[in-house]
Amino acid sequence: KQEVTQIPAALSVPEGENLVLNCSFTDSAIYNLQWFRQDPGKGLTSLLLIQSSQREQTSGRLNASLDKSSGRSTLYIAASQPGDSATYLCLPGGYQKVTFGTGTKLQVIP
Amino acid sequence: EAGVTQFPSHSVIEKGQTVTLRCDPISGHDNLYWYRRVMGKEIKFLLHFVKESKQDESGMPNNRFLAERTGGTYSTLKVQPAELEDSGVYFCASSQGVLAGQYFGPGTRLTVT
Repeated sequence: KQEVTQIPAALSVPEGENLVLNCSFTDSAIYNLQWFRQDPGKGLTSLLLIQSSQREQTSGRLNASLDKSSGRSTLYIAASQPGDSATYLCLPGGYQKVTFGTGTKLQVIP
Repeated sequence: EAGVTQFPSHSVIEKGQTVTLRCDPISGHDNLYWYRRVMGKEIKFLLHFVKESKQDESGMPNNRFLAERTGGTYSTLKVQPAELEDSGVYFCASSQGVLAGQYFGPGTRLTVT
């Protein structure tokens, strides 16, 4: 059974800081890994999708890396803004029984 | 392009009643997933459809839950009879293929009293 751990569970940073969110998973037999953000009372918004053959993906101020062999992915957020405040979740894909981790709750303070 | 839609957005029912949740995936997406988050816990996988077939239903908690996807388009998730522990948010997601990313709907908040 795939297990997903996200560290830290919560993070509070001042606006403008660069930060790294971590995701580790126990079964490296994945096809891809997806990062999401969830705002309170809302659904999940897809941020980045990394295929297993890729090492990283970038979108604006976001950069996600994937080290499949070690079961790790990181999400780097540059120059954080208050609008980045949300819960961030990672989802190793191609493995239907996966359970999301509890995520990282990020608060960016103006 | 319309995203994944779910109906209703919120449902409040009494214990023992029946509720049916609906999910309309993005047009052309053969893969449809159901997940749920109960209070304070992580989002858990329930089942996965490929077109109208159940690819994996290992996450379904018990036989009070029945998911269907007739015709391979929209899907319904019926809970009968509902219990208090079924309260939570039920999410639906769809993807073009297993290798493609999943797109989530806004969820249905189910409250069983």
